[in-house]
Amino acid sequence: GESVGLHLPTLSVQEGDNSIINCAYSNSASDYFIWYKQESGKGPQFIIDIRSNMDKRQGQRVTVLLNKTVKHLSLQIAATQPGDSAVYFCAENTGNAGNMLTFGGGTRLMVKP
Amino acid sequence: DSGVTQTPKHLITATGQRVTLRCSPRSGDLSVYWYQQSLDQGLQFLIQYYNGEERAKGNILERFSAQQFPDLHSELNLSSLELGDSALYFCASSVGLAGALKNIQYFGAGTRLSVL
Repeated sequence: GESVGLHLPTLSVQEGDNSIINCAYSNSASDYFIWYKQESGKGPQFIIDIRSNMDKRQGQRVTVLLNKTVKHLSLQIAATQPGDSAVYFCAENTGNAGNMLTFGGGTRLMVKP
Repeated sequence: DSGVTQTPKHLITATGQRVTLRCSPRSGDLSVYWYQQSLDQGLQFLIQYYNGEERAKGNILERFSAQQFPDLHSELNLSSLELGDSALYFCASSVGLAGALKNIQYFGAGTRLSVL
């Protein structure tokens, strides 16, 4: 069953194409950002993170870009596969006393075979 | 498998009741976090514990409380339940606090609470 809101923005891509998921964050004091993937019925799964002293970080098939000027974060997925279908959340951490994350609303990625 | 264990997986109860959700963090993680995910509000941070002590509080209702035990497992207690408390409740754990080099939060599979 559905584990997240039904009114999420949706990105639909063809298998094999590249996907770009965008996120605007709110706090200019945030110094750490994470992308999570959530499949139906599961908990959020860590994909990649980036600190505010970086503009770009690459992982396996994924790249995160950070533009602090406009407070924008993006996740690029290369050669998107059906297994990439999920809801993707960005989260920001302001370096506060704890380590609480503030999550964005999420984007649903649908991969068409 | 993230290594974070949450029980039970599903919980169905009635309004006015009290429930306890349990979380075992990953081996070696000292921090535990609780989040609520509802259809209309996304993922909301509730509370964080580090090595047994409360470290940060988010939008947690007074009817809700949590604690972290000496063995580092944590429990979230929800009382006087209302229909609107129906949601997924996630626990996450991390090695330490903000400022650590790698402080990724790893999430459990969640507990789905249905209040009828």
